[in-house]
Amino acid sequence: NAGVTQTPKFRVLKTGQSMTLLCAQDMNHEYMYWYRQDPGMGLRLIHYSVGEGTTAKGEVPDGYNVSRLKKQNFLLGLESAAPSQTSVYFCASSYGSGNSPLHFGNGTRLTVT
Amino acid sequence: AQSVTQLGSHVSVSEGALVLLRCNYSSSVPPYLFWYVQYPNQGLQLLLKYTSAATLVKGINGFEAEFKKSETSFHLTKPSAHMSDAAEYFCAVSDKEYGNKLVFGAGTILRVKS
Repeated sequence: NAGVTQTPKFRVLKTGQSMTLLCAQDMNHEYMYWYRQDPGMGLRLIHYSVGEGTTAKGEVPDGYNVSRLKKQNFLLGLESAAPSQTSVYFCASSYGSGNSPLHFGNGTRLTVT
Repeated sequence: AQSVTQLGSHVSVSEGALVLLRCNYSSSVPPYLFWYVQYPNQGLQLLLKYTSAATLVKGINGFEAEFKKSETSFHLTKPSAHMSDAAEYFCAVSDKEYGNKLVFGAGTILRVKS
C-alpha cells in the first residue's frame, strides 16, 4: 500500500526561486493537509483541503499557495522562496475531520540558501 | 485557537523503566486528542486517540494515555521502555478555529538507554 507519497524527498533552492511539492494519496481521502516541521516548534498547518477543488488557510499560510485539482493530489507551491521557508514539509490525508486519524507522507526536506 | 504544551523537549529513560511524556492543552473542552510518534526520517504515525468514549485510552506498542479534564492533560505512558521506543512523540488536539484540524505540540524526543 502506497498511502501518502511526497515528491521530491529533498530539494535545495536559491532565494527567489519557485517550486512545487507534490502529494498523492491512494486512500480516497477527502481531507488533505500540508504541514511544516521546524525544530522545537512541532508541526504547523500551512493549508488544507476538505475536498477536490477546495483549499483553506491554516496557521502559517503566507508565502505558500496550494491547489487540489484532483481528489488524490494536493500541491504546495512556493512562488519566491525565502530562507525562512527552510523546513521539512509533510503532507497528510484523512477520511474526515475531528477524530479521523491523519496519514502522513515521509516528508520533503527543503533548504533555501 | 487551541494550543498544546509538551513538557520536556527531551526525556531519557533506561530500558525497562516507566515512560511518561506530558501533554497539556489550552481548552477545558477539547473535541479530540491524539498522540503521534515519528521515527527518524519518517512521517508521523498514530499511537492513540481520545474521543470521549473512555478516559484511559490504549494505543499501539503498549502505550496508553489518560484524559484528565480537571488538569487539561493527556499524558502518555508505557510501563516498560524498549529500545525501539526511541523516537519523537507529538501530542495534538483538534482546533475548531481551523475546522477541527489538528494543532501539534512541539514534540518530545524519547531516548532509551541500555
